[in-house]
Amino acid sequence: GNSVTQMEGPVTLSEEAFLTINCTYTATGYPSLFWYVQYPGEGLQLLLKATKADDKGSNKGFEATYRKETTSFHLEKGSVQVSDSAVYFCALSSLGNNRLAFGKGNQVVVIP
Amino acid sequence: DTAVSQTPKYLVTQMGNDKSIKCEQNLGHDTMYWYKQDSKKFLKIMFSYNNKELIINETVPNRFSPKSPDKAHLNLHINSLELGDSAVYFCASSQDGGGGANTGELFFGEGSRLTVL
Repeated sequence: GNSVTQMEGPVTLSEEAFLTINCTYTATGYPSLFWYVQYPGEGLQLLLKATKADDKGSNKGFEATYRKETTSFHLEKGSVQVSDSAVYFCALSSLGNNRLAFGKGNQVVVIP
Repeated sequence: DTAVSQTPKYLVTQMGNDKSIKCEQNLGHDTMYWYKQDSKKFLKIMFSYNNKELIINETVPNRFSPKSPDKAHLNLHINSLELGDSAVYFCASSQDGGGGANTGELFFGEGSRLTVL
């Protein structure tokens, strides 16, 4: 079945640091890949997505590239801000599968 | 206007009680969901309805009963509440009928934090 694996543990970093959150997946067929973000006290919202291999999704300075050869969709941002502090979820969906598979999420804390 | 709205936002109750959480979406979507998020932020799908028809029913105790009076509403009723039911419950909706399989874009409510004492 479809599944998503995110790196363990929270991520704490200083403002303007480089952020990477790893995400790998297992899926049948050709899944679409997503990153969702959950700010404190809010619901999840779509951050970016990529629907086919080698596509790059980007939004708010975040980027992720769909790598079929490594089954990965790592999230990156070159210079984080305190306002980026949130929980980030990697997710995938595939045609014919009636649900979105979420990873366990990574808490990101950006310190001024 | 809030796209997906849930009420109440906070709910504190005693074990054994029955409670309901309501959800409404004004996006015109066909599919609605309930997710449970535990204290470690792990998100687990519970139910999904498409045009008032149940399409996903995960392994959830039958004390949990969703009800969809129309495609814009999906309510969650919980009987005989237990300590382990304490969590944040999220309602979500999507345009496609495949549970997010086509676009992957789910629109979430702000969550309802249930605390069972």
